[in-house]
Parts: sequence; C-alpha cells; structure tokens
Amino acid sequence: GQNIDQPTEMTATEGAIVQINCTYQTSGFNGLFWYQQHAGEAPTFLSYNVLDGLEEKGRFSSFLSRSKGYSYLLLKELQMKDSASYLCAVLDSNYQLIWGAGTKLIIKP
Amino acid sequence: GAVVSQHPSRVICKSGTSVKIECRSLDFQATTMFWYRQFPKKSLMLMATSNEGSKATYEQGVEKDKFLINHASLTLSTLTVTSAHPEDSSFYICSARAGDRQETQYFGPGTRLLVL
Repeated sequence: GQNIDQPTEMTATEGAIVQINCTYQTSGFNGLFWYQQHAGEAPTFLSYNVLDGLEEKGRFSSFLSRSKGYSYLLLKELQMKDSASYLCAVLDSNYQLIWGAGTKLIIKP
Repeated sequence: GAVVSQHPSRVICKSGTSVKIECRSLDFQATTMFWYRQFPKKSLMLMATSNEGSKATYEQGVEKDKFLINHASLTLSTLTVTSAHPEDSSFYICSARAGDRQETQYFGPGTRLLVL
C-alpha cells in the first residue's frame, strides 16, 4: 500500500532551525509537496520537489532523495507565526496526491 | 497566482437537511477538482475526484449517494451533503488542478460544516 510517514509533533524555539522529515512509499512518483496549514484554515503551498537535491526559498528549504524515499523541510530563523501543521504529500503515478498525517510544529519564545 | 474560492465558508444546519458547497476556480480553468474532508488534528482525506462533464470518482468508503458531486463547468464544482447527520460535521476543502499544470493543485479556503 501507499504510505507517508512524518512525526506527529515537534517543538522548537523562536529564532532556531527545525527540520521536519518525511518518508514515503508510493506507487509511482511525480513529485513531493510540502504544505503549511494553520488551524482551521486550508493548506497553503510551500514547495515542490521532483528532482533530488535541495530547493531553497527564503527561510524555507526542502530536500528530496528519491532513492531513499525521503524528504525534509527545513525552517530557519523560526518565527511564532510558523506554528502550524506541515503536511508532506506525494503525487503518485496517477497524479493523485497521497497525504501524510502532518507534523504539528510548536514554536516557543 | 491561481485562486480557488469556496462558498459558504461556514454553515450550520439541522440534521436531515442537505447542504451544498460550491468550489470555483476564479482565474483558470480546472479540468479536475478534488474534494477533501478533514477531521480535527487529522490530515486531509480525499473523498472524490471530479472531472468536468463526467461522473466523479469516489474513494473507497465514501458514499456517492450521500456526497453528490457535480462538475458542470471548467470553473465550478459542487458538493452536496444529503440528509446531513452530526457525524458529517467536518472541514471540507476543495482543490482544483489546471489541465496544463498536472503537478499543482490549488486549494480553496475550506468550508466548516456543523450539523446539529
């Protein structure tokens, strides 16, 4: 079956760096997405990786290793507003998004 | 960027009534739209995929007679929750995919449904 694993919850300090990992096993691969979701709101797009390597976008970076079925989202210079759930999702061979359960990130002052 | 709207954003209804939720792509044509539901502190669960002009494809375990989906045009899809019950209370989110951008889905802001 298809499976995406990410930690349920992480805690970090304002100003620090945090890395949220995601491992996946899917039928086919057409890219991996990271979304941010604040409580009670719809997900917002953060990044899309389809090739191996690191994609940097401001304070957020996303890394992909297709051979390992692994990705991480790196958040630098954490701000209180970064407190949210971070969802990892893989686009499978049918171009359907397979979702992880999300990682709730708690930022402490 | 691409914008997807949902209406209403919040609805409260009595048990047994039907509720219609609209999903519109405002500045692009969406050949495919997706309907998700999300329970508190859980990830998104895909309910169905709808392609313009054809019947929706429902995920296993989703009752198609209860959750009616219509995708009548390239910019509008509707989800009707028929004979709603309290267990249908959830956060419903639609997303739209443009025909030429297979790798990207744009999400609507979600509709919070509370059935009393």
